[in-house]
Amino acid sequence: EPEVTQTPSHQVTQMGQEVILRCVPISNHLYFYWYRQILGQKVEFLVSFYNNEISEKSEIFDDQFSVERPDGSNFTLKIRSTKLEDSAMYFCASSGQGHTEAFFGQGTRLTVV
Amino acid sequence: QQPVQSPQAVILREGEDAVINCSSSKALYSVHWYRQKHGEAPVFLMILLKGGEQKGHDKISASFNEKKQQSSLYLTASQLSYSGTYFCGTGNSGNTPLVFGKGTRLSVIA
Repeated sequence: EPEVTQTPSHQVTQMGQEVILRCVPISNHLYFYWYRQILGQKVEFLVSFYNNEISEKSEIFDDQFSVERPDGSNFTLKIRSTKLEDSAMYFCASSGQGHTEAFFGQGTRLTVV
Repeated sequence: QQPVQSPQAVILREGEDAVINCSSSKALYSVHWYRQKHGEAPVFLMILLKGGEQKGHDKISASFNEKKQQSSLYLTASQLSYSGTYFCGTGNSGNTPLVFGKGTRLSVIA
């Protein structure tokens, strides 16, 4: 069964460092998303990406965040200068055209120390 | 604007039924239900599109009342494996990103 894969599964970084979280969406999907979940809280939308550009972003997705689809398969989230409050589980998701479900990857747990 | 889920938490004995509600102040196009177990990714359960349809999946079903802008998830004859946090995600058109509620933590005990 096709799945969304994310790497790494866990990343520890020092405050102020840059991190790149990687995702490989399901191959025939067109819509890509990043969500984050602070421990014990709800899943929060960060950004959506379609047709090689950002289609929507939330207030959380400020200038320290960026997304890229560097090739035909990867979808990355970059956090330029990490803060302690960026510690969370980051989920990538993808969906096909139309009214379809979003499939989530297993997540990357980011810990900023 | 995030949908509102109720209850926040529920404890059931195996075999009991539960209803989880999800309501929005905005007009909805779709409601997606997910279950998340601790430390894992949300897993898709079902999607309901506007039209007031009801869907079923084993002993889990859901309804969508477009007029009331709410959806309900029904879990019947609950099993231990149903334990987890249930999130509803709402969208206002085809592939718009989902906005999730705060979740309902369901615990099924033997």
